[in-house]
Amino acid sequence: GNSVTQMEGPVTLSEEAFLTINCTYTATGYPSLFWYVQYPGEGLQLLLKATKADDKGSNKGFEATYRKETTSFHLEKGSVQVSDSAVYFCALSERAGGTSYGKLTFGQGTILTVHP
Amino acid sequence: GAGVSQSPRYKVTKRGQDVALRCDPISGHVSLYWYRQALGQGPEFLTYFNYEAQQDKSGLPNDRFSAERPEGSISTLTIQRTEQRDSAMYRCASSPAGTSYEQYFGPGTRLTVT
Repeated sequence: GNSVTQMEGPVTLSEEAFLTINCTYTATGYPSLFWYVQYPGEGLQLLLKATKADDKGSNKGFEATYRKETTSFHLEKGSVQVSDSAVYFCALSERAGGTSYGKLTFGQGTILTVHP
Repeated sequence: GAGVSQSPRYKVTKRGQDVALRCDPISGHVSLYWYRQALGQGPEFLTYFNYEAQQDKSGLPNDRFSAERPEGSISTLTIQRTEQRDSAMYRCASSPAGTSYEQYFGPGTRLTVT
């Protein structure tokens, strides 16, 4: 079956530091890949997505590149801010026979804390 | 516009009681999903609807769990004879028709079974 593995947290950084959160996946077909973010006290929000190999998703200074050869979708940001403190979830959604199918498989989440 | 809403936001119930959790998706969204999230874990898929049809219920853990979406809009997840292991955050998401993969999540219902 499908699975997503994220790097263990929590991750603690100083403001303006470089961020990487690793994510690798296992899937039998051609998944789309996502990063979701959950800010304190809020629901899950889509941060970025990539639907095919070599696509780069980007939003709010965050980037992730769909690497089929390494089955990875690592999240990066060049300079984090205190407001980026949140829980980050990597997820995949697999199409079956070319039909869109949005069932998401999530990683366990990585807690990021950014200090001033 | 209004996002996905869920009610109640918090529910405390005694073991053996039945509970019903409600999800009101974004207006016009065709697909509706239910997930369960244990503390410190990512959400796990429970079930999914397109309009009123339940397309996949493979994630429901046992027959105490059921879901419906009778008019293709609001959905109810029902847990019968609750057990302590049912305690979790229950999340609902909706998405529009077509090939969009983006799911919009509600705030969740925190269920505690005592």
